[in-house]
Amino acid sequence: QKEVEQNSGPLSVPEGAIASLNCTYSDRGSQSFFWYRQYSGKSPELIMFIYSNGDKEDGRFTAQLNKASQYVSLLIRDSQPSDSATYLCAVKVGIGKTSYDKVIFGPGTSLSVIP
Amino acid sequence: DVKVTQSSRYLVKRTGEKVFLECVQDMDHENMFWYRQDPGLGLRLIYFSYDVKMKEKGDIPEGYSVSREKKERFSLILESASTNQTSMYLCASSFYMWLGGISYEQYFGPGTRLTVT
Repeated sequence: QKEVEQNSGPLSVPEGAIASLNCTYSDRGSQSFFWYRQYSGKSPELIMFIYSNGDKEDGRFTAQLNKASQYVSLLIRDSQPSDSATYLCAVKVGIGKTSYDKVIFGPGTSLSVIP
Repeated sequence: DVKVTQSSRYLVKRTGEKVFLECVQDMDHENMFWYRQDPGLGLRLIYFSYDVKMKEKGDIPEGYSVSREKKERFSLILESASTNQTSMYLCASSFYMWLGGISYEQYFGPGTRLTVT
């Protein structure tokens, strides 16, 4: 069973701090990794994706991927109360050339940014 | 702007009823998905479709069926609703392209909160 794991939280950080969210996955063949943000009562929306080892930065968000250790993380710098949400890690399983994309979601980490 | 719409935001049905949830996307996406989301369990894939009339079982297909007669529309059917199918149901769509394992992002609809009594 291919799995994606995250700390459920809640993770609380003060406003202006760095929030660090972690995700591990079991399928070594996985190649596409996504971070979705889900506000309470809303549907998930993509905020970052990463395919290559290393860091990828987009504004206040940095995604980090380490395929050897099978983990992907999301850093949020200068956290704002508006960042308070559940963050879902998603991994495309490495199933080779197929006619569909299967993505497995982690359970999500709840982040609370305290003003 | 990508738009995925779902037929209802809230739905209340009785045990044993046949339930239809509809999803429509306007971006000509090949892939469409149905998930359910429950507290502590995250998003779980029920069924997906990569083309018209094509469907594949996800992780929890029991008690559900799907229909995709047109590219833009993907329907989830609960043949005989049960209380354990009370959940938030999310539809999503994406482009398909396999290119060295790279996958396109999924766009989600607003969700349907289904209560089965």
